Amino acid sequence: GAVVSQHPSRVICKSGTSVKIECRSLDFQATTMFWYRQFPKQSLMLMATSNEGSKATYEQGVEKDKFLINHASLTLSTLTVTSAHPEDSSFYICSARAGVSNTEAFFGQGTRLTVV
Amino acid sequence: SQQGEEDPQALSIQEGENATMNCSYKTSINNLQWYRQNSGRGLVHLILIRSNEREKHSGRLRVTLDTSKKSSSLLITASRAADTASYFCATDGIDYGQNFVFGPGTRLSVLP
Repeated sequence: GAVVSQHPSRVICKSGTSVKIECRSLDFQATTMFWYRQFPKQSLMLMATSNEGSKATYEQGVEKDKFLINHASLTLSTLTVTSAHPEDSSFYICSARAGVSNTEAFFGQGTRLTVV
Repeated sequence: SQQGEEDPQALSIQEGENATMNCSYKTSINNLQWYRQNSGRGLVHLILIRSNEREKHSGRLRVTLDTSKKSSSLLITASRAADTASYFCATDGIDYGQNFVFGPGTRLSVLP
């Protein structure tokens, strides 16, 4: 299947700093990328959907100024956690797909963010 | 509440037994997909079943879809210890546009 590369896999940062997570589709053009957050032993919560070249659509309750999403090209989307706090510690996963519907999404391996 | 709801939330079986997980959803869908996640890792796509399909097979996996009951099941036959993981269904809904909505997942433990 297609490959989505997410980097870094783990990051530890200090409170108040910003962290950028990259999500790349390696062998296909991702018209849509999704960012999810997952708490331990829970399901994935959709944070936002981004289409290349346009502003991301955030889910209710997700602060767009805190979680900055940029989808600058058909193969790259970034999530920046700004002014991180310990409660932002979580597992963040991106996914990408080429089509609109009836196509599978491919997931990155996830990023474990720990804010100390 | 979430669109997809799996049950059971946790399942423990012996190697060689079959494991069945169910997923229910609320709105009309384009397709339903099953994913697997090993602890702390990303998701691996297992099967996509479209709304006009009733059953699909892939190796030891069998997925059914009943749109009248808004439910799907994932059957893993002859389970192995390596099947231990969390399994999620995700609905690609007509009303949700391009978004996937995931259920809470079933944590499957296959004991050797």
